[in-house]
Amino acid sequence: AQSVTQLDSQVPVFEEAPVELRCNYSSSVSVYLFWYVQYPNQGLQLLLKYLSGSTLVKGINGFEAEFNKSQTSFHLRKPSVHISDTAEYFCAVSRYGGATNKLIFGTGTLLAVQP
Amino acid sequence: ETGVTQTPRHLVMGMTNKKSLKCEQHLGHNAMYWYKQSAKKPLELMFVYSLEERVENNSVPSRFSPECPNSSHLFLHLHTLQPEDSALYLCASSQDLPGSPTGELFFGEGSRLTVL
Repeated sequence: AQSVTQLDSQVPVFEEAPVELRCNYSSSVSVYLFWYVQYPNQGLQLLLKYLSGSTLVKGINGFEAEFNKSQTSFHLRKPSVHISDTAEYFCAVSRYGGATNKLIFGTGTLLAVQP
Repeated sequence: ETGVTQTPRHLVMGMTNKKSLKCEQHLGHNAMYWYKQSAKKPLELMFVYSLEERVENNSVPSRFSPECPNSSHLFLHLHTLQPEDSALYLCASSQDLPGSPTGELFFGEGSRLTVL
């Protein structure tokens, strides 16, 4: 069975500082990896995804993530955060499962950017 | 209207009430989903519709009843809910049919349900 682990439930950081949100997955087969962001009182939106190819994936709003197969990780990074980046970030993994797209989500990490 | 819209945004209901959540997607997508989001828990996939046909019912109690009258609309009918059903219910759609693992989901803003 697949699972996604986001070890940090909350990450406080000062504005303009770098940040890394951690994500580890477990799977016995090849996976596709996603990061979604949920701003306050909104639904989730796709930040970036890894399907194949280069292990460094760039997304919207200056975020990037690196797929590390040997460490089964897909950590999200941004070199300099803004107040507007305050949101909940969800890592997700996808597998091919029958008739449906089994997108398995982590529990989320709240990024709290302080001035 | 663009994207995925959900109504109502907030709903308070008693355990004996019957209510419905509505979702409409304006993206021309082929699949629609209901997710349940509870605090500190992963998103739970509830139902999946592909081309208006239900393809997944993820062991959801019968007090939740989905309906997909056409490819743009999705409903979640609620009946005799329990307090533990209080959560944010998210609707999503995708261009790719379910079964494609690479497709992107487009979410609505959610309906916040409180069961008293």
